[in-house]
Amino acid sequence: AQSVTQPDIHITVSEGASLELRCNYSYGATPYLFWYVQSPGQGLQLLLKYFSGDTLVQGIKGFEAEFKRSQSSFNLRKPSVHWSDAAEYFCAVGAGGFKTIFGAGTRLFVKA
Amino acid sequence: GAVVSQHPSRVICKSGTSVKIECRSLDFQATTMFWYRQFPKQSLMLMATSNEGSKATYEQGVEKDKFLINHASLTLSTLTVTSAHPEDSSFYICSARFRDRANEKLFFGSGTQLSVL
Repeated sequence: AQSVTQPDIHITVSEGASLELRCNYSYGATPYLFWYVQSPGQGLQLLLKYFSGDTLVQGIKGFEAEFKRSQSSFNLRKPSVHWSDAAEYFCAVGAGGFKTIFGAGTRLFVKA
Repeated sequence: GAVVSQHPSRVICKSGTSVKIECRSLDFQATTMFWYRQFPKQSLMLMATSNEGSKATYEQGVEKDKFLINHASLTLSTLTVTSAHPEDSSFYICSARFRDRANEKLFFGSGTQLSVL
């Protein structure tokens, strides 16, 4: 069955420290992969996406993600976290071109 | 955990008819729900924010007379695609915002695949 797992419900990082949010998926074919962010009171915003090609994808706000087929992972990274990055982050898999399956989300807390 | 039920999961309709999609929060009250649309191989596009008891807030470029949103209760929001045309064929997904004193989280429905013939 198709699924997306975000193992960490919440993560706390100090401002200026590096960040990695984990995402694992289960899907039979080559997936389309997305990372979205939801800031408080707002809808989703796309950070980045992977369809094919270079497995290291650059996104907005200084985020990047790496697709590792052997590990069925698509982890999100940022070298230096800012307080404004505190939000909830969702990994998603595009399955079959139409349907999107979301992970449960990871809440990021940033401490001063 | 909290569950959001979206119905139907798949619908096929004739051009010119209207289709209603329901989004229910099953075990929490959601004052805010979001409706998204996704075309194949693209990311989600926010269509509108639905607030219980008030008019929905539509994103730029989304026709509010075509995509009617009603959020009449704290557990139900509906999206009605009026006079559907083949270009409305898409994947529609809702999300409901859970909020209490300590936490805020977004939960997603499973989506509706609309095909207009």
